[in-house]
Amino acid sequence: TQLLEQSPQFLSIQEGENLTVYCNSSSVFSSLQWYRQEPGEGPVLLVTVVTGGEVKKLKRLTFQFGDARKDSSLHITAAQTGDTGLYLCAGGQGGSEKLVFGKGTKLTVNP
Amino acid sequence: NAGVMQNPRHLVRRRGQEARLRCSPMKGHSHVYWYRQLPEEGLKFMVYLQKENIIDESGMPKERFSAEFPKEGPSILRIQQVVRGDSAAYFCASSPTGVNSPLHFGNGTRLTVT
Repeated sequence: TQLLEQSPQFLSIQEGENLTVYCNSSSVFSSLQWYRQEPGEGPVLLVTVVTGGEVKKLKRLTFQFGDARKDSSLHITAAQTGDTGLYLCAGGQGGSEKLVFGKGTKLTVNP
Repeated sequence: NAGVMQNPRHLVRRRGQEARLRCSPMKGHSHVYWYRQLPEEGLKFMVYLQKENIIDESGMPKERFSAEFPKEGPSILRIQQVVRGDSAAYFCASSPTGVNSPLHFGNGTRLTVT
């Protein structure tokens, strides 16, 4: 069974701070997606990374895919209260349409 | 351009009843996925369908659960004889060409079995 472990499970920080959340697996994935989910809503795709070592930036968010395509990180610079939410990583494997999701990191950014 | 529409948003059923969850994909999307989310758990894949075909149902329990995506109308996830353990949020997602294209999720149906 493929597993994606996300850490930390919970993170509470002050506005303006930087943070990094992690997504790790013993399995290799052909792609890695990051989603943000707010209470009562469905996940919203933030980014997809497909190449080992790939780095993608989305405004204050930086996503990295590990060289071996087993892990990924999300770094947020100068967090804002609007960044509050559940961040989910999901791995895809070539030849399969299903995504394997981690349990998520629940981020709270306090004013 | 409406997003993925799921209804009902909330559904309460007593043990033994049937639950029907509906999902209308985004316009132009022919690939539909159903995921289940339990409290404090990640989303778990259930089934992947294209129009009129079930492509992968490896994540769906063999008994009591079924899914369809007819030529006309929404995709339906049907749970017969619900039990308390079926209580969860059920999310539908759609994409135009499969998982290598962006998945768009609906806001889910929260099923509570009493």
